[in-house]
Amino acid sequence: GAVVSQHPSRVICKSGTSVKIECRSLDFQATTMFWYRQFPKQSLMLMATSNEGSKATYEQGVEKDKFLINHASLTLSTLTVTSAHPEDSSFYICSAAGQAGYGYTFGSGTRLTVV
Amino acid sequence: GENVEQHPSTLSVQEGDSAVIKCTYSDSASNYFPWYKQELGKGPQLIIDIRSNVGEKKDQRIAVTLNKTAKHFSLHITETQPEDSAVYFCAASINTGNQFYFGTGTSLTVIP
Repeated sequence: GAVVSQHPSRVICKSGTSVKIECRSLDFQATTMFWYRQFPKQSLMLMATSNEGSKATYEQGVEKDKFLINHASLTLSTLTVTSAHPEDSSFYICSAAGQAGYGYTFGSGTRLTVV
Repeated sequence: GENVEQHPSTLSVQEGDSAVIKCTYSDSASNYFPWYKQELGKGPQLIIDIRSNVGEKKDQRIAVTLNKTAKHFSLHITETQPEDSAVYFCAASINTGNQFYFGTGTSLTVIP
């Protein structure tokens, strides 16, 4: 089946630094990838949709200059949290939709803690 | 846009009993309805899905039913086991590659 690999699984960074999270589709080409943020005991909140080779589409209220998304290839999308602050601490999850209609496959998530 | 509501938010059942989680959606154009299981600290995993041209789908102890007229779909887990304990999310979308709209989640606890 379709596999999405997300790294790192956990990261702790200092306030003001930047963190990059990678999302890779291992056995299929992902034309579209989605980035979610999840707060404890809450549902997934869509942050942005990235399409290979074009700019990401951000949901209302999500700062595109803070959450930089790059989808440079059909198997890799990255989310960079720039100038991270403690309020950016959260669980970030990516998912990918393949060309063959697999539907969504989710990565394992990244727990970001900003200290 | 689409609005997906999910109930209950928490559910506790005895091991061996059945569990039912219900979702409603608002956009009649939605035609794909997956269910995801999320364990603590992990990403959601697809457990079953149903398309609008089907009324029911079953996979071992898990089944999903869809009522297009009423715009609701349900997840049924029979013979529950402690390892079924997790948070379950329903979702709706128009086709499989487009944006998903998630329900608010149900925390299921199976008591041994």
